[in-house]
Amino acid sequence: QVQLVQSGAELKKPGASVKVSCKASGYTFTNYGIYWVRQAPGQGLEWVGWISGYNGHTNYAQKLQGRVTLTTDTSTSTAYMDLRSLRSDDTAVYYCARVLGELLDFWGQGTLVAISS
Amino acid sequence: QSALTQPASVSGSPGQSITVSCTGTSSDIGGYNYVSWFQQHPGKAPKLILYEVSNRPSGVSNRFSGSKSGNTASLTISGLQAEDEADYYCSSYTSSITRVFGTGTKVTVI
Repeated sequence: QVQLVQSGAELKKPGASVKVSCKASGYTFTNYGIYWVRQAPGQGLEWVGWISGYNGHTNYAQKLQGRVTLTTDTSTSTAYMDLRSLRSDDTAVYYCARVLGELLDFWGQGTLVAISS
Repeated sequence: QSALTQPASVSGSPGQSITVSCTGTSSDIGGYNYVSWFQQHPGKAPKLILYEVSNRPSGVSNRFSGSKSGNTASLTISGLQAEDEADYYCSSYTSSITRVFGTGTKVTVI
């Protein structure tokens, strides 16, 4: 069965970096893309970016351009989100989701990233 | 890219039909038939319930339907059930080759 398993919660200080992983199983990783979506506490969903599992092509939300990098390791079927220069308003649950066209059909369990001095 | 506009809350009685609107611009909703809707229960990951305006993924109840007119998309839930109480988010592809989500709507079954 398809599963996306994300890494555990992180507590970071302002200005630091965080790397969240999303390990996929149960399907051919290179046939799908991965979306990253975040949700601040009590707030709505915010699109972070997309990466192709096939060739690593990426698109990022303009708001996060320059601070976020999405990568994949096809040998382990794992996607990564690297977010730098962390600020308090980056505190959120970060989700990865499998995507093919407009179908976001499987989601990870979410990873809480908390920023606090 | 500004978030798409949704009403903060919509409520209905069991068995009724309700509609949630999602308003964008010609650079997102109005320009493409790539509108999706997600349902999110508290503490859970979002779940896709509609894509490409009106298509339902396998396993999603046919009580959920979608439409679009101009820059506004709509989600209709018919035969409202207690389990439908959740937050609902629309999302659209944009001319910047990105995606944007709506502000979210809390659906309450009263």
